[in-house]
Amino acid sequence: QKEVEQDPGPLSVPEGAIVSLNCTYSNSAFQYFMWYRQYSRKGPELLMYTYSSGNKEDGRFTAQVDKSSKYISLFIRDSQPSDSATYLCAMGGGGADGLTFGKGTHLIIQP
Amino acid sequence: EAEVAQSPRYKITEKSQAVAFWCDPISGHATLYWYRQILGQGPELLVQFQDESVVDDSQLPKDRFSAERLKGVDSTLKIQPAELGDSAMYLCASSPDRRQAFFGQGTRLTVV
Repeated sequence: QKEVEQDPGPLSVPEGAIVSLNCTYSNSAFQYFMWYRQYSRKGPELLMYTYSSGNKEDGRFTAQVDKSSKYISLFIRDSQPSDSATYLCAMGGGGADGLTFGKGTHLIIQP
Repeated sequence: EAEVAQSPRYKITEKSQAVAFWCDPISGHATLYWYRQILGQGPELLVQFQDESVVDDSQLPKDRFSAERLKGVDSTLKIQPAELGDSAMYLCASSPDRRQAFFGQGTRLTVV
């Protein structure tokens, strides 16, 4: 079992829909959690950073962390075609420096 | 807006040749990482620096890979000799707090 599991998709939704992206993890020592957006042939862009269980909102994006279930989510409201990208979850503080990434979910927003 | 700079953006090299990548982190970020990302996978850590010191290089294939950050600012990652399996995106990232990582645009390496 990999430390971080993420469904690679692709996930295709119509423009304006609410998107839900998820990751599960096995290392209970992870303390902080991030979501990155990566466009094709580009580097990952940090979208959300959370340090505790609960919700964090930034514009159309909401990050949710449930440490008891070892489950994190990213919600995108009013999705736009420009949101089409690969979304990577990442987590750290699990006993070593550096981040452990999921495989990424390929998201397609249909106009 | 401050960014992590990487060069070159693309590199094609023949197997057994040497190749080098350069990274300039965001100013003031003491922590610098090199990650490798294979197509369809998430990035995997190769090496981490705190200032000029290596903090973690446990996943760096030391028989062919080397990394340095001599003055604690910019960094170079070298592969010698390159192998076909080294084809990947090489990403540099820096951090102000050893938690959040800010990535550059990467160097896409193709070994032929």
